[in-house]
Amino acid sequence: GAGVSQSPSNKVTEKGKDVELRCDPISGHTALYWYRQSLGQGLEFLIYFQGNSAPDKSGLPSDRFSAERTGGSVSTLTIQRTQQEDSAVYLCASSSPPARGYTFGSGTRLTVV
Amino acid sequence: GNSVTQMEGPVTLSEEAFLTINCTYTATGYPSLFWYVQYPGEGLQLLLKATKADDKGSNKGFEATYRKETTSFHLEKGSVQVSDSAVYFCALSRNNNDMRFGAGTRLTVKP
Repeated sequence: GAGVSQSPSNKVTEKGKDVELRCDPISGHTALYWYRQSLGQGLEFLIYFQGNSAPDKSGLPSDRFSAERTGGSVSTLTIQRTQQEDSAVYLCASSSPPARGYTFGSGTRLTVV
Repeated sequence: GNSVTQMEGPVTLSEEAFLTINCTYTATGYPSLFWYVQYPGEGLQLLLKATKADDKGSNKGFEATYRKETTSFHLEKGSVQVSDSAVYFCALSRNNNDMRFGAGTRLTVKP
């Protein structure tokens, strides 16, 4: 597609429920990234994919968080047993080497009540 | 590890004022440096970048120079407009797979 697409744009969920966030990167971009942006804070790196593999999962905050990417394209970020501190905007970005910077989606605003 | 530190906001300026947002970095080797901008309700957009020492990135009247001696990449604009109101993020990357962002600086420009 023309840009990075994320869905849903907003999600309100009850504490303890599981949620899935979706990212559709720019066609042909081999690298895909997930970041979390909490209110008033910067971007926190979560995970990075090169193709379908995730060489860097160091940013996932707990084992409740997982992500996968299939077909070198769409990625889903899953948060199990959501907690209130998971409330944030989850941003996805994609890029294609050589380094030209990332292209970000508009994000998914997650609110856990 | 690699990191960037940028000045805390918020920054409030009048239209046509001069803008500086400071950014310093810590990194091994020679990272690429970036400024991203996030307008209200939108995702981050790449504003400008520099890939080696003494390079100057520029876009939309904004400039930043990669200063290795001071490990800095300060963002400047000579005359801001109301439409520049946004959150600005400094970032660095060594190999395009490890982009690290600063905390962001919120700029508000008043008419």
